[in-house]
Amino acid sequence: DAGVIQSPRHEVTEMGQEVTLRCKPISGHNSLFWYRQTMMRGLELLIYFNNNVPIDDSGMPEDRFSAKMPNASFSTLKIQPSEPRDSAVYFCASSLGTSGLSTGELFFGEGSRLTVL
Amino acid sequence: AQKITQTQPGMFVQEKEAVTLDCTYDTSDPSYGLFWYKQPSSGEMIFLIYQGSYDQQNATEGRYSLNFQKARKSANLVISASQLGDSAMYFCAMREGWKGGGNKLTFGTGTQLKVEL
Repeated sequence: DAGVIQSPRHEVTEMGQEVTLRCKPISGHNSLFWYRQTMMRGLELLIYFNNNVPIDDSGMPEDRFSAKMPNASFSTLKIQPSEPRDSAVYFCASSLGTSGLSTGELFFGEGSRLTVL
Repeated sequence: AQKITQTQPGMFVQEKEAVTLDCTYDTSDPSYGLFWYKQPSSGEMIFLIYQGSYDQQNATEGRYSLNFQKARKSANLVISASQLGDSAMYFCAMREGWKGGGNKLTFGTGTQLKVEL
């Protein structure tokens, strides 16, 4: 079975440019999460969706960040305009939630490493 | 206050020895879950083990076991018979009760484990 698929794996861009990160969750999972990982701040939850609806976006740093989930199989995280401090690894993760026998574990994609010059 | 605290930034262990990675958590929710993830140098996040707050027994998965002490709010990971391939960053994470239909995980800062010959 395919895991969580993220693209691009690596992105290098210049300050001020728009960046779009993409995620395809595991089929059948109803929760999707965007995390950011940096040395300074560790793993931070940016936003998560349940059944395609944004539940908690309190971790989104500022208005330059936006996330959408138009359907159950696709989500995007957009940064416009990008800044050097946005450089990080962005992880997408999905889960089944805690219904039934599921523990609610998160299945992570391989991450998108973003470098903003 | 930190919800998840990992006080050991780095640990060393000799091959074939056992090692304990510490994790304490803070929540007032009676229903929660605790997770451990491994992140090797390649960057992916690998789920290791889960413990539910109502589980009576400590979780075990192969060489991994979770020493769950509810009254002390600790959930330490024990790796037995360490192998070179266990060298990685290890994250403890918590899922609190069902709020608004989501199940986000809050991560600790991680412990870098190095297994030596």
